[in-house]
Amino acid sequence: GESVGLHLPTLSVQEGDNSIINCAYSNSASDYFIWYKQESGKGPQFIIDIRSNMDKRQGQRVTVLLNKTVKHLSLQIAATQPGDSAVYFCAENIPHFNKFYFGSGTKLNVKP
Amino acid sequence: DVKVTQSSRYLVKRTGEKVFLECVQDMDHENMFWYRQDPGLGLRLIYFSYDVKMKEKGDIPEGYSVSREKKERFSLILESASTNQTSMYLCASSFLSEAFFGQGTRLTVV
Repeated sequence: GESVGLHLPTLSVQEGDNSIINCAYSNSASDYFIWYKQESGKGPQFIIDIRSNMDKRQGQRVTVLLNKTVKHLSLQIAATQPGDSAVYFCAENIPHFNKFYFGSGTKLNVKP
Repeated sequence: DVKVTQSSRYLVKRTGEKVFLECVQDMDHENMFWYRQDPGLGLRLIYFSYDVKMKEKGDIPEGYSVSREKKERFSLILESASTNQTSMYLCASSFLSEAFFGQGTRLTVV
């Protein structure tokens, strides 16, 4: 199958700092990417997405960067808050297959 | 609000039992998915369906089957549950792009 991987399994940050979560994907044909947040005991929730014709997209406190040259995706969270503590997944969607492949997840711990 | 509902949050079944996991979505989405989630392995696709009565194998279909008799409902079936199927199961639905997830079913096979 396709591989979508994350560089760091666990990330600890101080409250108020910025967080950066990274993801590598393997299929250069992937044209759509999503970041999900999964809190303990819940299903993944959509955070932000980006299409392959963009290299940056901003949301509220979150920014996704896409580098197609090296097949790398990152999620930046500004002014990280305790409520941001969760596992974060990146997912890629390959056209024509219309299914998602997920990375193994990065756990973000926010220290007060 | 978008809703994907899985019938159970927690299930405990015995080895060899036939197990049904139900998922219902209210968004009229064409595509539905079943994933399992295990520590360190992320979400792995078991089966997906892009229309009623249509199904496609994902990456780990062995030991599972699915049923999609109605557009809103996608069932995952463990024909004969085994302990290595103890996991968190997540259902999702999508139309063209973003996938919406249910809350998950934690299945323990003893």
